[in-house]
Amino acid sequence: EAGVAQSPRYKIIEKRQSVAFWCNPISGHATLYWYQQILGQGPKLLIQFQNNGVVDDSQLPKDRFSAERLKGVDSTLKIQPAKLEDSAVYLCASSLVGAEGTQYFGPGTRLLVL
Amino acid sequence: GENVEQHPSTLSVQEGDSAVIKCTYSDSASNYFPWYKQELGKRPQLIIDIRSNVGEKKDQRIAVTLNKTAKHFSLHITETQPEDSAVYFCAAAREYLQFYFGTGTSLTVIP
Repeated sequence: EAGVAQSPRYKIIEKRQSVAFWCNPISGHATLYWYQQILGQGPKLLIQFQNNGVVDDSQLPKDRFSAERLKGVDSTLKIQPAKLEDSAVYLCASSLVGAEGTQYFGPGTRLLVL
Repeated sequence: GENVEQHPSTLSVQEGDSAVIKCTYSDSASNYFPWYKQELGKRPQLIIDIRSNVGEKKDQRIAVTLNKTAKHFSLHITETQPEDSAVYFCAAAREYLQFYFGTGTSLTVIP
């Protein structure tokens, strides 16, 4: 079974630039999550989708972060404009509906904002 | 929102000894508590979880206990092995929503 795919794996940008990350969940997983993991900290949930609807975005900094999952499969997370403190690993995870505890994580995108 | 605190931040044990990691949470509505293991450079993986209607759950060498009254839960690893060395994260969620993670515990098992 293929796992969660993410791209790019690494990204370096200047502050105030824009960046987008892509995630393809495990086939059949209706629930998709985006997390931000700053070095030395636990993952912070940014947004949780079920199919193409948002079920939780309470910790998403909506002034600069946006995410979409238009067809209920792939998802993109965008930061515009980026700040230095956005440097982190962005993890995508997916799970089956009703089994949200068993989240399968992707390899992550490591973002460095200079 | 929920606040999850995790202790200790680092833990070293001799191989074969037990390791205990503790977490506290603030939101009494949280009812689901998973534990994740993250090896260096790898993605987090669920190792055990517990719901609020259960006080203890065990899976081979790993167990989790939950005290709803005190709002704390703990991970217990017995007969530790070098491959248990990793960062462990606790988390709390309400009805599988609003997952809040602890800050992590770096466990080192010394052979």
